[in-house]
Amino acid sequence: NAGVTQTPKFQVLKTGQSMTLQCAQDMNHEYMSWYRQDPGMGLRLIHYSVGAGITDQGEVPNGYNVSRSTTEDFPLRLLSAAPSQTSVYFCASSYSSTAGGSPDTQYFGPGTRLTVL
Amino acid sequence: TQLLEQSPQFLSIQEGENLTVYCNSSSVFSSLQWYRQEPGEGPVLLVTVVTGGEVKKLKRLTFQFGDARKDSSLHITAAQPGDTGLYLCAGADNYGQNFVFGPGTRLSVLP
Repeated sequence: NAGVTQTPKFQVLKTGQSMTLQCAQDMNHEYMSWYRQDPGMGLRLIHYSVGAGITDQGEVPNGYNVSRSTTEDFPLRLLSAAPSQTSVYFCASSYSSTAGGSPDTQYFGPGTRLTVL
Repeated sequence: TQLLEQSPQFLSIQEGENLTVYCNSSSVFSSLQWYRQEPGEGPVLLVTVVTGGEVKKLKRLTFQFGDARKDSSLHITAAQPGDTGLYLCAGADNYGQNFVFGPGTRLSVLP
């Protein structure tokens, strides 16, 4: 298994440009999430999905869109990039060790480092 | 809003020393996780604690969940340079579907 993969690894955008960060997992996990990590602030949840066709907002969703058309893929779209979106973005997938229970173990991708000029 | 605080923010010690880092909140969490993150990589799960007062050991690492499930500690015995990294705690939110992360403790173990 490749686990959780993210592309690209690095990206530089100009203010106002749009782009999509890709995330894929091959572990058949129902739960997937997007986080951003900024210095001194830990990881903050942007959007998450509890299954194909279902998405919801996290703590900092403004300026980002997501979709979940398949179990494997969970792309994150930046609609009009702003310097405040300069960050490292992590995708995670998770499962629950108990049938029908809450997700517990999260597996993170290697991250995408985004700079918006 | 559930928030997690971690202390200390930075810690630099010599190889062989013991250390404890803390994760605190005013909120109750149904479970709490500890992750280690190395530069340029995503966080890797170390342990999940669920029951108040629970203690789990992972080789030289000992994790404890507070009785009231509001805080946790990570104790490392005889630290090694390989323990260097960012240690993050994360608590399951009220719905149990997502996790709130603390800001992390950056540990540096010098040889």
